[in-house]
Amino acid sequence: EIVLTQSPATLSLSPGERATLSCRASQSVSSYLAWYQQKPGQAPRLLIYDASNRATGIPARFSGSGSGTDFTLTISSLEPEDFAVYYCQQRSNWPGYTFGQGTKLEIK
Amino acid sequence: QVQLQESGPGLVKPSGTLSLTCAVSGGSISSSNWWSWVRQPPGKGLEWIGEIYHSGSTNYNPSLKSRVTISVDKSKNQFSLKLSSVTAADTAVYYCARIYCSGGSCAYYFDYWGQGTLVTVSS
Repeated sequence: EIVLTQSPATLSLSPGERATLSCRASQSVSSYLAWYQQKPGQAPRLLIYDASNRATGIPARFSGSGSGTDFTLTISSLEPEDFAVYYCQQRSNWPGYTFGQGTKLEIK
Repeated sequence: QVQLQESGPGLVKPSGTLSLTCAVSGGSISSSNWWSWVRQPPGKGLEWIGEIYHSGSTNYNPSLKSRVTISVDKSKNQFSLKLSSVTAADTAVYYCARIYCSGGSCAYYFDYWGQGTLVTVSS
């Protein structure tokens, strides 16, 4: 089973600052990694797929990088609406789709 | 624009069966996509439950496989989840979501999600 470990668990930053979120896989997932944003009371929203491709309608301040086992989601300049929980996700033959435990991005 | 909408009882008794339906609009469930269920216990992370193709082929999370059945109703453009022998640990927001396929190749990420429905297991 491939385990995704996100860090930090909580990140406290101010609007306008740069956010860097990490996702580490226990085995290589090549570039098959996605990132989601989830706000309270809402469903997750796809941000990034294939490690670095922005989904439709996602602002350019969101970028993803990495391959193999180490991945990063960067938000270049935080907007008030970016404070949320972020999850990484991958798929393997067993047990199927798995998510990281999430990073909460909170206002400092 | 594909839209997904979950529906079903918000309260289920322990040892009972949780039953939810996901109605698909803006597209056909018979299109070449996989349709999934994902859940999220209150204050916790996301857990994939299982998926179904319009042909009826299914894949389930091994941790839930013995209790899960996912089915599709093409005439109603919807798919359903049944989870048996529920306990308080099954209390969660349940989401339906889509895995897009094209040209015989499928993505591994969920591009469309329903808004979610909270199911509480309690007597």
